Amino acid sequence: GAVVSQHPSWVICKSGTSVKIECRSLDFQATTMFWYRQFPKQSLMLMATSNEGSKATYEQGVEKDKFLINHASLTLSTLTVTSAHPEDSSFYICSARKGGGATETQYFGPGTRLLVL
Amino acid sequence: QKEVEQNSGPLSVPEGAIASLNCTYSDRGSQSFFWYRQYSGKSPELIMSIYSNGDKEDGRFTAQLNKASQYVSLLIRDSQPSDSATYLCAVTNSGANSKLTFGKGITLSVRP
Repeated sequence: GAVVSQHPSWVICKSGTSVKIECRSLDFQATTMFWYRQFPKQSLMLMATSNEGSKATYEQGVEKDKFLINHASLTLSTLTVTSAHPEDSSFYICSARKGGGATETQYFGPGTRLLVL
Repeated sequence: QKEVEQNSGPLSVPEGAIASLNCTYSDRGSQSFFWYRQYSGKSPELIMSIYSNGDKEDGRFTAQLNKASQYVSLLIRDSQPSDSATYLCAVTNSGANSKLTFGKGITLSVRP
């Protein structure tokens, strides 16, 4: 199997606070994880690629100082939304890459809904 | 720019019918091909992966890949109302920095 978990599944916070979201690969090791954001009725948008033991690679237009990513182990990546504002309210989804080369596969976590008041 | 295109939807089929979902991709370097299913309000779930030309069957699902035509499809046999969801085609090339490139998705509705 290939199971990816996220915690929390729901979070409501006040504007200006920081929120940390965890992504774990439960039954495999993942040197690479990905963070996506999805607004209602829109496509998945890749925010950043998280590499174990090194700095994350952010997509164009994503503020690295606002969305802090730490991939400290082969099974855990965290995304911290710093100084959250209502426009950061969204569905945040992580994925973990299993395997490598031509047969690599990404498995998605269940997602975290963030509501910033 | 690498692109993945899917038929514009929505697609509606009666229960028990075959649903055919199609996808083309622009990057000839693509090596891995996936179909994900996403229910409303949920995250994507891997349905099928295919890495070589031909057909791959898993239960009611069959993925077909034709690299020469840069085409990948998903057939769903004996469609059920529970198959109603958005289906995302995704491709990736190999390499340490490979990322999934998604199509816009097609919404399938299976009528009871």
